[in-house]
Amino acid sequence: AQSVTQLGSHVSVSEGALVLLRCNYSSSVPPYLFWYVQYPNQGLQLLLKYTSAATLVKGINGFEAEFKKSETSFHLTKPSAHMSDAAEYFCAVSPKAAGNKLTFGGGTRVLVKP
Amino acid sequence: DVKVTQSSRYLVKRTGEKVFLECVQDMDHENMFWYRQDPGLGLRLIYFSYDVKMKEKGDIPEGYSVSREKKERFSLILESASTNQTSMYLCASGGNQPQHFGDGTRLSIL
Repeated sequence: AQSVTQLGSHVSVSEGALVLLRCNYSSSVPPYLFWYVQYPNQGLQLLLKYTSAATLVKGINGFEAEFKKSETSFHLTKPSAHMSDAAEYFCAVSPKAAGNKLTFGGGTRVLVKP
Repeated sequence: DVKVTQSSRYLVKRTGEKVFLECVQDMDHENMFWYRQDPGLGLRLIYFSYDVKMKEKGDIPEGYSVSREKKERFSLILESASTNQTSMYLCASGGNQPQHFGDGTRLSIL
């Protein structure tokens, strides 16, 4: 069985400050890992994914995430927050052998203050 | 551009009604999925389909069924709607990772 824990259901950052969203997973086999973003009244969009290539993954909109096997983590960062980054972010895990059947974390809502 | 279209953005139904949520994708993907989204719980998989007429239960299939008669269309059915099925429902499709999502249907059961 696999699970995903996102620390902090709400995060508030100032415009221009570092964005750090935490994600830890548990999985019996090395998984694929994903970050999605959901803007208000919209579906989810893929930000980035880890599929066992480089451990530092760069995504869209300046986001990146680092896979750390020893810590079972896949934290999402952006060096400088923009007002348009206000959204809800979801970490997800999928076992490599099970196609794209994703298990999602509970989500982190990001508020960006001017 | 890839597109997953859900037939309704908002839907209000009554307890005991049979409810149909429709989803269409234009990417010729083999896999299609139905999730429900609730605050603090993230997305939970209800059912998925890996081919026409093929389906598998997800994590919370109770009270739901699905239909996939054509590759591009995947329907979620609430057999007898109950108030605890009030939620946001998201459809997704994918070949391999990642999945593409529709904008969601916010369903209220009164």
